[in-house]
Amino acid sequence: AQRVTQPEKLLSVFKGAPVELKCNYSYSGSPELFWYVQYSRQRLQLLLRHISRESIKGFTADLNKGETSFHLKKPFAQEEDSAMYYCALSGQGGGTSYGKLTFGQGTILTVHP
Amino acid sequence: ETGVTQSPTHLIKTRGQQVTLRCSSQSGHNTVSWYQQALGQGPQFIFQYYREEENGRGNFPPRFSGLQFPNYSSELNVNALELDDSALYLCASSLRGGVSADTQYFGPGTRLTVL
Repeated sequence: AQRVTQPEKLLSVFKGAPVELKCNYSYSGSPELFWYVQYSRQRLQLLLRHISRESIKGFTADLNKGETSFHLKKPFAQEEDSAMYYCALSGQGGGTSYGKLTFGQGTILTVHP
Repeated sequence: ETGVTQSPTHLIKTRGQQVTLRCSSQSGHNTVSWYQQALGQGPQFIFQYYREEENGRGNFPPRFSGLQFPNYSSELNVNALELDDSALYLCASSLRGGVSADTQYFGPGTRLTVL
């Protein structure tokens, strides 16, 4: 069974401080990992996915297969980063879980001025 | 480009009733996935439709069913509603392509309350 764990429900930091949102996963095979974000009163939207290896809004995430982790990091948090963040995984093409996203419970990030 | 839309926004039903939720996929997308998000939880995969066929199902009973139409819009039907069905129902559309998982674009959701 595939599972995503986000151990922190709430995370508070001050503006300009580094932030790391933790994500651990369980999956037998090669998963695709994603971070989705939901800002206040907006719909869920993709922040980044590991295969594109992009940095979006200053956020990066590295897939660590040994530790089965995909932590989201930003060196200097901004107030506009305050939102709910979900880590998610999907199976790759050809597998039974292809296209099916399994989400963690989410972490509410609050960045104080 | 039109994003994913869902209707209605809110819905109140009583236990035992049936409900139909609707989703219009983003222009050019051919795949629709449905998720249930209970309060304080992450979204849970219900099922996915690709070219009008069910293409994967999560751990939900058969009273949860769906349809996809030739224009790729979709419906989620829930029969014999239970109190635990109260949740936000999210629809996501994507363009099924190669080996990599498709990026899913989410709608705003339908809030269902079962009394």
